[in-house]
Amino acid sequence: DAGITQSPRHKVTETGTPVTLRCHQTENHRYMYWYRQDPGHGLRLIHYSYGVKDTDKGEVSDGYSVSRSKTEDFLLTLESATSSQTSVYFCAISPGGVRDTQYFGPGTRLTVL
Amino acid sequence: KNEVEQSPQNLTAQEGEFITINCSYSVGISALHWLQQHPGGGIVSLFMLSSGKKKHGRLIATINIQEKHSSLHITASHPRDSAVYICAVTNTGKLIFGQGTTLQVKP
Repeated sequence: DAGITQSPRHKVTETGTPVTLRCHQTENHRYMYWYRQDPGHGLRLIHYSYGVKDTDKGEVSDGYSVSRSKTEDFLLTLESATSSQTSVYFCAISPGGVRDTQYFGPGTRLTVL
Repeated sequence: KNEVEQSPQNLTAQEGEFITINCSYSVGISALHWLQQHPGGGIVSLFMLSSGKKKHGRLIATINIQEKHSSLHITASHPRDSAVYICAVTNTGKLIFGQGTTLQVKP
């Protein structure tokens, strides 16, 4: 158990509203990731972080922003949610850095109406 | 064309059968990962390998770097092995995922 929690686990929201998803880890690992999982696309990287205030974009970052003000928390914000952002969102951590195994959180199912 | 391709996409087996799932990739990698995802469940890392073979219980993962190919084998399959198996490669520090193989093992 890598000590990763995500909140909320389920959320339904309306188009145009801002949404923030939280990933929390208890092990103080540097590397954290946000992915989305969609049928037909598999898992895709949204943003990642390699330390406090150090973040970078993944392949599907448009419409998303992230923040990491503490080692243990990595926040994903949908600035103005759209229906195309309906997905399951997974957070992951990598204890040993970019070449190490990633451990995934339980996921957040987001529905944008 | 996807950078990581898995085959088959779907697989149905009878309990006890030997199962093979294949993964081919077209990019340079520093490691290859096999992940498991049960229906409605989270994602669990099964293996990370950069050469040769690894074994854990009834699961065996192999990789051929020259051929850019990996296989995941399940011996003596069981209904609890029913899940989606995902291949991913580490490329420039990030994971690139295959589409997954949905395995159903029938009693």
